[in-house]
Amino acid sequence: QKEVEQDPGPLSVPEGAIVSLNCTYSNSAFQYFMWYRQYSRKGPELLMYTYSSGNKEDGRFTAQVDKSSKYISLFIRDSQPSDSATYLCAMEGGVGSGSRLTFGEGTQLTVNP
Amino acid sequence: DVKVTQSSRYLVKRTGEKVFLECVQDMDHENMFWYRQDPGLGLRLIYFSYDVKMKEKGDIPEGYSVSREKKERFSLILESASTNQTSMYLCASRGPLSYEQYFGPGTRLTVT
Repeated sequence: QKEVEQDPGPLSVPEGAIVSLNCTYSNSAFQYFMWYRQYSRKGPELLMYTYSSGNKEDGRFTAQVDKSSKYISLFIRDSQPSDSATYLCAMEGGVGSGSRLTFGEGTQLTVNP
Repeated sequence: DVKVTQSSRYLVKRTGEKVFLECVQDMDHENMFWYRQDPGLGLRLIYFSYDVKMKEKGDIPEGYSVSREKKERFSLILESASTNQTSMYLCASRGPLSYEQYFGPGTRLTVT
């Protein structure tokens, strides 16, 4: 069983829709939770970062972490065609983990004009 | 501006060849990483290094080795390339006080 599970999609939505992307994880030692965005033929870039449980908002993006359920989400409001990309969740923490990240498989999102 | 560069965007090699993938970062970061990315499997850590001449195995080190002789440069070596090493290879770096990993653009390697 993978430590981090993420539905790979693909997910296709119309412009302006609210998008919900999710990951579940099994390692309760994870404390740092991130979302990376990867455009086609590019490397991933950090989009959002959250420490422990709670919400964090940045413009049209909201990241949520529920450690009790081992579940994290990324919401995109008023989605735009420029949001079309693969979104990867990533997690870090635990004794001996150092600076290693564990990534989800990534969800491919297409926002149609 | 933060920059991680990789020596090639696309590479085609034959089975059995020795392959070098190079990564250079200009941020004076201590930590550097090599991942491979495959459909259905996501990003998997091959090796990482937290200092010059230091290296640690990641989740899938078999068939790979690494070299870090200078702080800014981290090389991934495929001693004898095999077809199952056809993949996208991504390099990343990270500073000591930061949670963010900065990725290069990737090298798509095809082994025939």
